[in-house]
Amino acid sequence: KNQVEQSPQSLIILEGKNCTLQCNYTVSPFSNLRWYKQDTGRGPVSLTIMTFSENTKSNGRYTATLDADTKQSSLHITASQLSDSASYICVVRGGSNDYKLSFGAGTTVTVRA
Amino acid sequence: DTEVTQTPKHLVMGMTNKKSLKCEQHMGHRAMYWYKQKAKKPPELMFVYSYEKLSINESVPSRFSPECPNSSLLNLHLHALQPEDSALYLCASSRNLAGGPQETQYFGPGTRLLVL
Repeated sequence: KNQVEQSPQSLIILEGKNCTLQCNYTVSPFSNLRWYKQDTGRGPVSLTIMTFSENTKSNGRYTATLDADTKQSSLHITASQLSDSASYICVVRGGSNDYKLSFGAGTTVTVRA
Repeated sequence: DTEVTQTPKHLVMGMTNKKSLKCEQHMGHRAMYWYKQKAKKPPELMFVYSYEKLSINESVPSRFSPECPNSSLLNLHLHALQPEDSALYLCASSRNLAGGPQETQYFGPGTRLLVL
């Protein structure tokens, strides 16, 4: 069964601090992994996408890493801002039905002043 | 233009009402999707259209009826819904249904539906 597990479930950080979110997956075969940011009641917005051959990808203050051997990914947020408060979802494309995305449950990040 | 738009943003309906959700994209994408998302849960795939034809129905109850009038539009017709159908309904699109490692889905902002 294709699974995507994220940790921690939630975290609270002070504005200006860094944090790292984790994602482990069992999806096989693997096509790509994407991190999305989702504000409450809004649709997911893509932050980064990585394929099998990519180890790291940055988008501003967001840096994602991928270890395809261990099937692990991380999302690092640098110098957090209040607007970073959201749910961050790890989504893996692949498996026997390539069109179907496997979603993690998300990590809820709260940034406090 | 990398935007998927959805209307309305919010919808309140009774169990006997008939309503429709609309989704539009002008990226030339040929695959479009409907998802249902309950609070604090990941999105669940409902339907997939590829080249304006229904390709996948994830065993969705018939009170949800999708329609793809053209390559840019996707509708979801609602009839006789139940309170447990209250959720955020997301539309997404991608270039193709199975487009390779770089293929990705772009999501709309969603319609928040409340069934009374």
